[in-house]
Amino acid sequence: GESVGLHLPTLSVQEGDNSIINCAYSNSASDYFIWYKQESGKGPQFIIDIRSNMDKRQGQRVTVLLNKTVKHLSLQIAATQPGDSAVYFCAENNNAGNMLTFGGGTRLMVKP
Amino acid sequence: ETGVTQTPRHLVMGMTNKKSLKCEQHLGHNAMYWYKQSAKKPLELMFVYNFKEQTENNSVPSRFSPECPNSSHLFLHLHTLQPEDSALYLCASSQVGLAGGGSTDTQYFGPGTRLTVL
Repeated sequence: GESVGLHLPTLSVQEGDNSIINCAYSNSASDYFIWYKQESGKGPQFIIDIRSNMDKRQGQRVTVLLNKTVKHLSLQIAATQPGDSAVYFCAENNNAGNMLTFGGGTRLMVKP
Repeated sequence: ETGVTQTPRHLVMGMTNKKSLKCEQHLGHNAMYWYKQSAKKPLELMFVYNFKEQTENNSVPSRFSPECPNSSHLFLHLHTLQPEDSALYLCASSQVGLAGGGSTDTQYFGPGTRLTVL
């Protein structure tokens, strides 16, 4: 029979609006976090990272916020564009080597 | 272009076939990874190679056999696969600190090989 796909949370925004994608991580020992963007037919692409000694980091049109108290990570995209449509993954390194643990992903859909 | 290339991009194989996936990184990194991404599950780590040595085998069935001849190349040899092995296989690389692992190892991914097992 046909496979059932993984159900991804979906965020739908209007072009030009700001987007906020959230991620809850599990390990309080994690000290490094990354956001990846994956477009259809491509591999995950690095967007921005943050270390645990910071609570905010800004890139070009993107900002990552880290709240260690509640183990929450967010990615803010300013002035969202159609090219931002993709699946976004957060990943954490739990300070036990070079392995990353990935979240399930959020699908961002930008309406023109 | 991330500096990590994978071939082939698409592969269809029968359950009795033997095939290999190839990954090459042009970033000068010393660690390479195989991941499986299927429609049913989030990104799953399969194998990790640090300095050409396998340091992680995440309970992967023996029908998947990795090979890392040098720090720039990584292979995944496939034999007697099952239809449920159909997925996107992603390779990644990173630069690990000389202490054997660091908490700031950004991994850069290739485009993946879309594998279909009939």
